[in-house]
Amino acid sequence: AQSVTQLGSHVSVSEGALVLLRCNYSSSVPPYLFWYVQYPNQGLQLLLKYTTGATLVKGINGFEAEFKKSETSFHLTKPSAHMSDAAEYFCAVMPSGNNAGNMLTFGGGTRLMVKP
Amino acid sequence: ETGVTQSPTHLIKTRGQQVTLRCSSQSGHNTVSWYQQALGQGPQFIFQYYREEENGRGNFPPRFSGLQFPNYSSELNVNALELDDSALYLCASTKQMNTEAFFGQGTRLTVV
Repeated sequence: AQSVTQLGSHVSVSEGALVLLRCNYSSSVPPYLFWYVQYPNQGLQLLLKYTTGATLVKGINGFEAEFKKSETSFHLTKPSAHMSDAAEYFCAVMPSGNNAGNMLTFGGGTRLMVKP
Repeated sequence: ETGVTQSPTHLIKTRGQQVTLRCSSQSGHNTVSWYQQALGQGPQFIFQYYREEENGRGNFPPRFSGLQFPNYSSELNVNALELDDSALYLCASTKQMNTEAFFGQGTRLTVV
């Protein structure tokens, strides 16, 4: 069974500061990894994903994440926070390989607050 | 290219009633998944439909059931509603063998 842990249910940063949202996963084999963002009363929007290849992946809105197999982590970063980044962020995993289905297992989420 | 659309956006039901939620998948997507997101939590996988058949199920009781139609749209049915069923229900569609899931805006269900 797969599981996802997001450390810190709430993270507060100042505008212009570094954003770091932590995600660790548990899986018998390296899964596919995702970060989604959810704005109030909306669905989920994909920020970025890792399937294979380069372990540092870049996404939308200036976000990036690095897959570290040895640490079973996929932390999300952004060099400079913007007020519009305030939202709920979810890390998720999906079984890798053909015929594994594409069901997502989500972490509990991290609410990012950006102070002016 | 139309996105994933869900209806209704909000509804209120009484404990013990039945509810049907609807989802139209994104154009060209043949797989639909449903997720339950309780307040303050991450989404939890309910089940997935591919070619009109259930193709994976999470840890939800049988009173949660679904359908997929030939046009790939889908329904989620919940019988004998309980207070704990109050949540945001999200539908996501994907192309076969594609890892990117596109989510709808969700249906906010309140059970009183």
